[in-house]
Amino acid sequence: GAVVSQHPSRVICKSGTSVKIECRSLDFQATTMFWYRQFPKQSLMLMATSNEGSKATYEQGVEKDKFLINHASLTLSTLTVTSAHPEDSSFYICSARDSKRVYNEQFFGPGTRLTVL
Amino acid sequence: EDQVTQSPEALRLQEGESSSLNCSYTVSGLRGLFWYRQDPGKGPEFLFTLYSAGEEKEKERLKATLTKKESFLHITAPKPEDSATYLCAVLPLGTSGSRLTFGEGTQLTVNP
Repeated sequence: GAVVSQHPSRVICKSGTSVKIECRSLDFQATTMFWYRQFPKQSLMLMATSNEGSKATYEQGVEKDKFLINHASLTLSTLTVTSAHPEDSSFYICSARDSKRVYNEQFFGPGTRLTVL
Repeated sequence: EDQVTQSPEALRLQEGESSSLNCSYTVSGLRGLFWYRQDPGKGPEFLFTLYSAGEEKEKERLKATLTKKESFLHITAPKPEDSATYLCAVLPLGTSGSRLTFGEGTQLTVNP
């Protein structure tokens, strides 16, 4: 149980294009999902909190017009990196909160490696 | 401000050499403390939730303990497949939306 998938696992795109990453909770419903970014040998940096049916909450310094988040259902959240540039190259990881668990554990997806040329 | 500090940053062990990883935290009130394991190029894998001082959880060669100021992840007779980065995270009381605060992680290498 508590499986989260991400698609794609790896994407290479040209500068200026947009990239969409999907995050799905496969065996539980997630009213809240989270999007993280991780640089090499560093810990996870929270970018935004995605709430089903409402607007995402972005962390300070994260451009909401660049990183578009949509949480259309209880099992799916998407992150779109718009007009990607080389500095957006990173490892993006989503997590989903299982609201039926007492302490709201978060379960993470396998991550998406984005490379912008 | 909530803070999580993990030590050591990196740890090398020989197979079978037991040791402990430390996670010190400062929060106004603790709702839960979580341990994750992360392999290179993958997302973190959930290991344990601890929520009250004195609590212990075990899974195979791993045992997590909690006090009011820190948590330990004890690794007994580790094997090379235990090599990974171990992350500690806290969920403070009153946190809306379950926003976690992560430590920087401990990179564990177990040599055969």
